[in-house]
Amino acid sequence: GENVEQHPSTLSVQEGDSAVIKCTYSDSASNYFPWYKQELGKGPQLIIDIRSNVGEKKDQRIAVTLNKTAKHFSLHITETQPEDSAVYFCAASWEAGNMLTFGGGTRLMVKP
Amino acid sequence: NAGVTQTPKFRVLKTGQSMTLLCAQDMNHEYMYWYRQDPGMGLRLIHYSVGEGTTAKGEVPDGYNVSRLKKQNFLLGLESAAPSQTSVYFCASSYGLMSTEAFFGQGTRLTVV
Repeated sequence: GENVEQHPSTLSVQEGDSAVIKCTYSDSASNYFPWYKQELGKGPQLIIDIRSNVGEKKDQRIAVTLNKTAKHFSLHITETQPEDSAVYFCAASWEAGNMLTFGGGTRLMVKP
Repeated sequence: NAGVTQTPKFRVLKTGQSMTLLCAQDMNHEYMYWYRQDPGMGLRLIHYSVGEGTTAKGEVPDGYNVSRLKKQNFLLGLESAAPSQTSVYFCASSYGLMSTEAFFGQGTRLTVV
């Protein structure tokens, strides 16, 4: 089955700096890659996703890039703010029916 | 707008006890899922359902059972709790396959002593 590795497990940045979280996946059939943000005491919430026919997608301060050849994808957050502090999960799935496989999570801390 | 509601939010069980976690969604979603979240291991799928009356095993189904008698509800049962089942449990639902947005509940923190 699919295996998703996520790095780093913790990331501390200064407010205003950029943050990058990287994930690799094993199943070349995977073609859907969402990112979820989990705030303290809450369930994960989708923040951005990308499909295999797209190399990059942006939404305001967040962007995701996908390299299908290397089987890795990354989340980029620019101009970080304290409210970006949370745990971020990447995931991968095969659209036709497989369930999401999640990475181990990254705890992002943005210091004011 | 309730979304996905899980009950209870916290529970402490003794080894060997049983309990049922309830998940309810009000978005008319077909698909529902139960995950467990352990430190450093992300979210692992326990069981899922693709519609009323259906259930299927996920990645870590052993020790758990589920039922989906009504479209809006998905129950997770532990027949004989073990310390290894200490975890945070999340229910989620989605309109279709997981290639669409999944909406998560706030979680149930279960401790088995």
